Amino acid sequence: KAGVTQTPRYLIKTRGQQVTLSCSPISGHRSVSWYQQTPGQGLQFLFEYFSETQRNKGNFPGRFSGRQFSNSRSEMNVSTLELGDSALYLCASSFDAGGNSPLHFGNGTRLTVT
Amino acid sequence: DQQVKQNSPSLSVQEGRISILNCDYTNSMFDYFLWYKKYPAEGPTFLISISSIKDKNEDGRFTVFLNKSAKHLSLHIVPSQPGDSAVYFCAVTDSWGKFQFGAGTQVVVTP
Repeated sequence: KAGVTQTPRYLIKTRGQQVTLSCSPISGHRSVSWYQQTPGQGLQFLFEYFSETQRNKGNFPGRFSGRQFSNSRSEMNVSTLELGDSALYLCASSFDAGGNSPLHFGNGTRLTVT
Repeated sequence: DQQVKQNSPSLSVQEGRISILNCDYTNSMFDYFLWYKKYPAEGPTFLISISSIKDKNEDGRFTVFLNKSAKHLSLHIVPSQPGDSAVYFCAVTDSWGKFQFGAGTQVVVTP
């Protein structure tokens, strides 16, 4: 069974640009979550999608948005990039929502904003 | 407000000995607890979990203990192996499914 796939692995953008990250969950998993990992802040929850609906949202500004498609694939968009957005962005999928099944993570997209 | 804390940023243990990692949480509504391992340049890998109705769960060399009254979670790795050198995160969630992660503990297993 293929794991969670994130593309691209690395991205370099300049301030003010926008970026879209992509995530393909494990086959059969319907919930997709996004996390930001930085050295000082650890793993910070961005949002969760289930059946194409945003189910949970973390404390990030509106520049961070996401969506989920009917095949459960998800995209995350960050507009008007700031230097502080440089981080590892992790996508995770789980079979179900509701906190009863573990998250399975992809290897992340390393975003560098210059 | 950090509701999940791993107070030891690092742990060094000899190969073959026991590694004990600790995690404390503040909200008694959390009912599902997990441990993840992370190597550099990879995403976290799920290790083991426990629900609030249990106090122990074992999977091979990994055992998770839950003390609900103390709001404390621990992971025991016995015996520790060089491949166990990684960052370990504890995670908690409630019935709504919003996961929260600790800051991580770097484990180094020495020969």
